[in-house]
Amino acid sequence: AQTVTQSQPEMSVQEAETVTLSCTYDTSESDYYLFWYKQPPSRQMILVIRQEAYKQQNATENRFSVNFQKAAKSFSLKISDSQLGDAAMYFCAYSIAQGGSEKLVFGKGTKLTVNP
Amino acid sequence: ETGVTQTPRHLVMGMTNKKSLKCEQHLGHNAMYWYKQSAKKPLELMFVYNFKEQTENNSVPSRFSPECPNSSHLFLHLHTLQPEDSALYLCASSQADREGNEQFFGPGTRLTVL
Repeated sequence: AQTVTQSQPEMSVQEAETVTLSCTYDTSESDYYLFWYKQPPSRQMILVIRQEAYKQQNATENRFSVNFQKAAKSFSLKISDSQLGDAAMYFCAYSIAQGGSEKLVFGKGTKLTVNP
Repeated sequence: ETGVTQTPRHLVMGMTNKKSLKCEQHLGHNAMYWYKQSAKKPLELMFVYNFKEQTENNSVPSRFSPECPNSSHLFLHLHTLQPEDSALYLCASSQADREGNEQFFGPGTRLTVL
């Protein structure tokens, strides 16, 4: 079965501190892409960071970085210098090409609270 | 308008009503998607349209009927829904010319079925 597991339903972090959100996935595909999406309260879901599975180097976008462990099928998100605007639901997902289209498989999400 | 827009933002309907959700993308993309987001469940992909052709129907009940008249517009027609269909329905679009492209999401329609 193709699944994504986010084991932390909720997390909290102090402003300016670092937090890591965990994600594991299960796929038999060898070529796929991994994503972290952010959904702020009552706002649109937006892409935070993307990782190509064939690349060993971990992706980084400003304060956001990932720890990609392909053999362990693990894809955690680290947020450094947390800001109040980082408070949101974070969804881990992977995409696979299937039947002429691309399919995103999501986890249940982690709700991140940032305390001032 | 920019990005992906959805109307209406909120919808309350009875089980015997017929209604439609509308999505429009202003990004020049050629693939569009419908997702269902329920509390404490992963986002569920419902339908995919690639170059206006439906390429994915993820075992969605026939009371949900998608329509994609062109690459910029996507509809979800609803009829005889059940209370368990209450959820946030998200539309997304992407450029499907290569794998791994970002999907851009709309704000969603919050649907309540009474």
